[in-house]
Parts: sequence; structure tokens; C-alpha cells
Amino acid sequence: DVKVTQSSRYLVKRTGEKVFLECVQDMDHENMFWYRQDPGLGLRLIYFSYDVKMKEKGDIPEGYSVSREKKERFSLILESASTNQTSMYLCASCRVGSEAFFGQGTRLTVV
Amino acid sequence: EDKVVQSPLSLVVHEGDTVTLNCSYEVTNFRSLLWYKQEKKAPTFLFMLTSSGIEKKSGRLSSILDKKELFSILNITATQTGDSAVYLCAVIIQGAQKLVFGQGTRLTINP
Repeated sequence: DVKVTQSSRYLVKRTGEKVFLECVQDMDHENMFWYRQDPGLGLRLIYFSYDVKMKEKGDIPEGYSVSREKKERFSLILESASTNQTSMYLCASCRVGSEAFFGQGTRLTVV
Repeated sequence: EDKVVQSPLSLVVHEGDTVTLNCSYEVTNFRSLLWYKQEKKAPTFLFMLTSSGIEKKSGRLSSILDKKELFSILNITATQTGDSAVYLCAVIIQGAQKLVFGQGTRLTINP
């Protein structure tokens, strides 16, 4: 079974903190994605990566950065957390042109 | 801008009813369309549709794609309370390797 693992299920951080969300997949997938999910807005793409060290902005990259130093790991970084970044964050991975598999999600609260 | 729109956003029906969920898309370079079911946690994959007019079926769920009119439907017959979930539609963008989601349809099945 494909496994996509996100490092934390729940996080509470203070405004202005630097926040790291980690995602690891074990199926040698080329593509990895970070989404945030908010009520009524669906999944919005923050960043994605199609290869090691490669990254592309999604629809809402402002306030975020990413890192992909190894194929299996894709990190999302909130440089200076703000309350409007309180959300559910979902990581996904897939082979080119195939269905994506999701991690369990990280519910981040910024206070 | 690539766009995926689902309707309705919310639907409440009685157990045993049949429901049809809609997904329309407007994207630069279509490759495939995916349907996911999301209960409390990570979205789980239901169907991938690449060719027009070919129905995919799994038990009481079925889906079909119309590439001329740029939409897909997901049908659920003889609904059960366990079908209550958010149903997500996504499109794989060829070339960019991007995965774009709609807002989701929240389906509630009442006993």
C-alpha cells in the first residue's frame, strides 16, 4: 500500500513563528503536492514538485515556501506564521499522470 | 487560469435515494479527471476518467466523462448513511503535472 505520512496531525503555533510541515512518501513517486483545505473553498494548491529540487508555485503560494532535497520528502515552510494560515494542510504524491495519494493531514492553528 | 467547479456544494437526501454529483472544468491541457471521497481524514481515490463516454463502476458508484462538454458526473444509487462524505473532483493538467481540485460536494444521507 502507498503510504504518505505527515509529521504531525495537530499543531498550534504562535504568530510570527517559522513552521515546518513534513511529508514523506514511500512509493518513489515523482510528483508531490501541498494543499490547504478550508470550508467552502475545497483544496487549494500551494506548491508542487515534479522532481528533486524542483518546485512550482500553485494558486496560493504567498507566505509559504517548500523544499525537496530528497525524492521521498517534501516540506512546507511557513516563514512567519499568521492567523490566516490556520487551516488543514494536506500533502499528496503521485506518479506522472496517475491518481494522487494523500497523507492524513495536519490541522494547524496559529494563535 | 485552470478551474474545476462542482455542484451542488451541499446535498441532503434520504437513505435509498439516488444522487448525481456534477463536476465541470476549464483547463489549459486536460489529461484526466479524478473523483475522491473524503470522510474525516484524507481523501480516498474513487475513479480516474481519461476517455469520453466510458462509464467506470464500482458497486453502487459510477462515473462518466464528457470531454466535449467538459464535465463529469458521479452517481450513487441506493445511498447509505456510510456514503455521507465530501466528494472531490480533480483534474490532472498535462505537461504542468498539476492536480487542480474543485470545492467539493458535501453529501449527507439521512436514515
